[in-house]
Amino acid sequence: KQEVTQIPAALSVPEGENLVLNCSFTDSAIYNLQWFRQDPGKGLTSLLLIQSSQREQTSGRLNASLDKSSGRSTLYIAASQPGDSATYLCAVRVLTGGGNKLTFGTGTQLKVEL
Amino acid sequence: IAGITQAPTSQILAAGRRMTLRCTQDMRHNAMYWYRQDLGLGLRLIHYSNTAGTTGKGEVPDGYSVSRANTDDFPLTLASAVPSQTSVYFCASSVGTGNTGELFFGEGSRLTVL
Repeated sequence: KQEVTQIPAALSVPEGENLVLNCSFTDSAIYNLQWFRQDPGKGLTSLLLIQSSQREQTSGRLNASLDKSSGRSTLYIAASQPGDSATYLCAVRVLTGGGNKLTFGTGTQLKVEL
Repeated sequence: IAGITQAPTSQILAAGRRMTLRCTQDMRHNAMYWYRQDLGLGLRLIHYSNTAGTTGKGEVPDGYSVSRANTDDFPLTLASAVPSQTSVYFCASSVGTGNTGELFFGEGSRLTVL
């Protein structure tokens, strides 16, 4: 059974810092991995999607890497801003006989302080 | 604006009552999903539909039913609500199970069962 772990559960940093959020998964036979952002009381917003054949994806100040063999992904946020404060979740997709299954981590709650 | 619309946004319900959460998407995505999000447990898949006319069970299907009469709509029904079904429910969609599988989420329906 695929298990997804995100460490730390919570993180507080001063504005301007570069930071790394971690995601680890137990089964390396994944189809893709997706990073989401969730603001309080809101739905999930897709940030980056990495296919299993890719090593990284970039969007603006965000860079996500994937190391399938070690079961790890990192989300790098450059020059953090207070508006980046949110919970960040990763999810891995594996292919099954009847379709596919997405397993979520429980998230890292980020607070960027002025 | 294209996306996923969920209704109601919030509901308080007496135990034993029947409740249907509505979900409509206008992106013409094939696959749709219902998740529940609970503190400490993350997101768990309730039911999914790979394409109109088909549905499947997820991780926590008991007490819930779905239907997929057309591409756009994917309602979730609680036949007889119980307090353990108090949660935030998210509807999601993706282009297809075998494609990129990038997930897009609605804003959620917060359900309280008393």
